[in-house]
Amino acid sequence: DAKTTQPPSMDCAEGRAANLPCNHSTISGNEYVYWYRQIHSQGPQYIIHGLKNNETNEMASLIITEDRKSSTLILPHATLRDTAVYYCIVRVDGEGAQKLVFGQGTRLTINP
Amino acid sequence: DAGITQSPRHKVTETGTPVTLRCHQTENHRYMYWYRQDPGHGLRLIHYSYGVKDTDKGEVSDGYSVSRSKTEDFLLTLESATSSQTSVYFCAISAYDTQYFGPGTRLTVL
Repeated sequence: DAKTTQPPSMDCAEGRAANLPCNHSTISGNEYVYWYRQIHSQGPQYIIHGLKNNETNEMASLIITEDRKSSTLILPHATLRDTAVYYCIVRVDGEGAQKLVFGQGTRLTINP
Repeated sequence: DAGITQSPRHKVTETGTPVTLRCHQTENHRYMYWYRQDPGHGLRLIHYSYGVKDTDKGEVSDGYSVSRSKTEDFLLTLESATSSQTSVYFCAISAYDTQYFGPGTRLTVL
């Protein structure tokens, strides 16, 4: 699976949009981009994933560049409860075990 | 939370003692995983299972063994615990192209 690069930390004001970047310049055509977050010491929580089209769900939006070498996770109206470590992961979907490779992630702090 | 529970949630043990952690799921998912997480690091895969009695190694499997005699239970065993195995252990299952994680077990080896 391709390697990802994320900034180690970011700050965002409560109520504003939080935009978290991720670089995955070696991504293959059949690899998806996944985002998870980990709040304090809880288990990671799935947020969203996509292949090449932009995706939106009740938690966030995922914007993937046309060349697929980078993506941005957008939390449209950040709240204090969004303070967490956010992980960007790329992997191939389909049959078989999902052996996720977690990097260091981005520690997002939402400030009041 | 995909019906995943882990037990115990906290454990303190001494070097050289055997330890077994349990992961239980209620929804009969085929794939189950054990990860460990250490300070300042992301999660690292220890072992995974793709069915009853079917398991394979992950990235950091040395010192660990696993067993899956029933679909719903995936056990992680430290045959002889060492201080380097002090960590938080997370279990996960695969469902609908993603993974769902349990609440974690904090293990301290003195």
